[in-house]
Amino acid sequence: KNQVEQSPQSLIILEGKNCTLQCNYTVSPFSNLRWYKQDTGRGPVSLTIMTFSENTKSNGRYTATLDADTKQSSLHITASQLSDSASYICVVIASGTYKYIFGTGTRLKVLA
Amino acid sequence: GAGVSQSPSNKVTEKGKDVELRCDPISGHTALYWYRQSLGQGLEFLIYFQGNSAPDKSGLPSDRFSAERTGGSVSTLTIQRTQQEDSAVYLCASSDGTSVDTQYFGPGTRLTVL
Repeated sequence: KNQVEQSPQSLIILEGKNCTLQCNYTVSPFSNLRWYKQDTGRGPVSLTIMTFSENTKSNGRYTATLDADTKQSSLHITASQLSDSASYICVVIASGTYKYIFGTGTRLKVLA
Repeated sequence: GAGVSQSPSNKVTEKGKDVELRCDPISGHTALYWYRQSLGQGLEFLIYFQGNSAPDKSGLPSDRFSAERTGGSVSTLTIQRTQQEDSAVYLCASSDGTSVDTQYFGPGTRLTVL
């Protein structure tokens, strides 16, 4: 079983709509949780970084939330654009380590 | 400033051949990581360098895989006697090694073993 699980596996929405991606993790204790965006054929790019004591972090139209009690995080995308079409990867870094533990990602497609 | 670069971007090879993949990290980044991303799978950690030394090679899947880093900069991932299951995108990342550092990823090398 993956230590970082994401849902849904894929998602299709219309341009302008909002969506929320989920990440459940079992890594404990952890130092921080990150969301990355990966365009097709490109490396992942960091969107948000949250330490275990933070509940929310925004980056433009992207807002990440974290509930350390339930070990859940979400990434909310507001007013989606065609350029949001990508894979979104949840990454958890265990305390005292440098290792990134990756989820398998959610593939988002935004249609015009 | 330049980001992480990798070469080649695509590599097609025949089963049994050796391949070398190159990573140029961001200048000044002391930490360098190699990952593998297979189709439909998450990113899989392979190896971590701090400077020229590799304190963690635990992710290398077999002894056919090796990596080195010279001058605290460029790294090469070598796969000997490639197998079809080695087909994947190999991603390199670098970071400045601070406590809440961010890994910056290269574009990856897509390896196809026929």
